[in-house]
Amino acid sequence: QLQLQESGPGLVKPSETLSLTCTVSGGSTSNSNYYWGWIRQPPGKGLEWIGSVYYSGSTYYNPSLKSRVTISVDTSKNQFSLKLSSVTAADTAVYYCARVGRIGATSDYWGQGTLVTVSS
Amino acid sequence: QSALTQPASVSGSPGQSITISCTGTSSDVGTYNFVSWYQQHPGQAPKLIIYDVNKRPSGVSNRFSGSKSGNTASLTISGLQAEDEADYYCDSYTHTSAYVLFGGGTKLTVL
Repeated sequence: QLQLQESGPGLVKPSETLSLTCTVSGGSTSNSNYYWGWIRQPPGKGLEWIGSVYYSGSTYYNPSLKSRVTISVDTSKNQFSLKLSSVTAADTAVYYCARVGRIGATSDYWGQGTLVTVSS
Repeated sequence: QSALTQPASVSGSPGQSITISCTGTSSDVGTYNFVSWYQQHPGQAPKLIIYDVNKRPSGVSNRFSGSKSGNTASLTISGLQAEDEADYYCDSYTHTSAYVLFGGGTKLTVL
């Protein structure tokens, strides 16, 4: 059974960089049938697509976040990562990692999510 | 890139059927049969319940069904049960660089 687990600091200061890692077990980030994505959900609000990465390193980003986002994959560790720079309080959210179908873009497996709060 | 449009809330009584709409554009829902629906209970991660407009993952109740007409996709839940009370989100593939668009979410209340 595929499992994804987010990890990283739960508190980030304004203007700093948010960094999260998603560790995949029960499957491989080298699987060519899937992208690996990040989605976030501010408290009490809806889901927002952040972006995704393919095993080759190619990426897709939400245009509204593109200037601040970097998503990368480390297939040797079976992990992929999110970096979001120059954060503000508006970036406070539960961050989810997910497996995303290469064809159809369905997010079929999700991590449990991790709350990141931006505050000084 | 605008989000897909969903009603903020819907409600129904146990045993009834409800439908949640998800409206996009010709860049996403209208062109591609790649609409998914997710169920999210409070404090939990979203769970995939419909993909490719009308396909159900293994283990998902056949009370959940999906359809699409033009730029609007729909999720129908029949035989409403108390456990169906949750937030529901649609998403769609888009050929723009964003790759995936989410709907704003719909809160389902079972009366």
